[in-house]
Amino acid sequence: LAKTTQPISMDSYEGQEVNITCSHNNIATNDYITWYQQFPSQGPRFIIQGYKTKVTNEVASLFIPADRKSSTLSLPRVSLSDTAVYYCLVGDPNTGFQKLVFGTGTRLLVSP
Amino acid sequence: NAGVMQNPRHLVRRRGQEARLRCSPMKGHSHVYWYRQLPEEGLKFMVYLQKENIIDESGMPKERFSAEFPKEGPSILRIQQVVRGDSAAYFCASSRESYYEQYFGPGTRLTVT
Repeated sequence: LAKTTQPISMDSYEGQEVNITCSHNNIATNDYITWYQQFPSQGPRFIIQGYKTKVTNEVASLFIPADRKSSTLSLPRVSLSDTAVYYCLVGDPNTGFQKLVFGTGTRLLVSP
Repeated sequence: NAGVMQNPRHLVRRRGQEARLRCSPMKGHSHVYWYRQLPEEGLKFMVYLQKENIIDESGMPKERFSAEFPKEGPSILRIQQVVRGDSAAYFCASSRESYYEQYFGPGTRLTVT
């Protein structure tokens, strides 16, 4: 499974756009990139998944450059309730996602 | 459609006792995963089960830990003779197929005194 590197923490204010970048230099051809969100005292929650270019859903956007060695999770206009830990995971859905490998994640703090 | 259910939410055990953690997957999900999270750390995979089968237990400690997912009833993670180092949050997740996104339960916080 490809190793990922993310910033340990980020700070933002309500209403701002937040971009969290994840490095995955040894991503394999069949690997997908998935982001999870975890609030305190809760289990992680799937946010978004992508393979290349851009994916957008009602919660976030995921930008993946052509070389796929990094990805950026973009949260538009964050609110206080977006304060959480965000995990970037890389793996092949057909083989690697049976055991999700979580790093330490990025702790996002949104202030008023 | 109810989410993944775990009980108890909090469990306190003395050293040497047994801990039993239960997980009911989402309706229609036959794949169950257990993860452990120590304070300030990410989740660590423990075991992956399908009904009546253990598919991958590469993350399970070799001793004292066992897991099952019977044909009927919830999945059980069992820790025998607990030690202080077993204190952690234990999360269960389920999926419809092995490559679908996993849905996590609220976790069981085990405290060993």
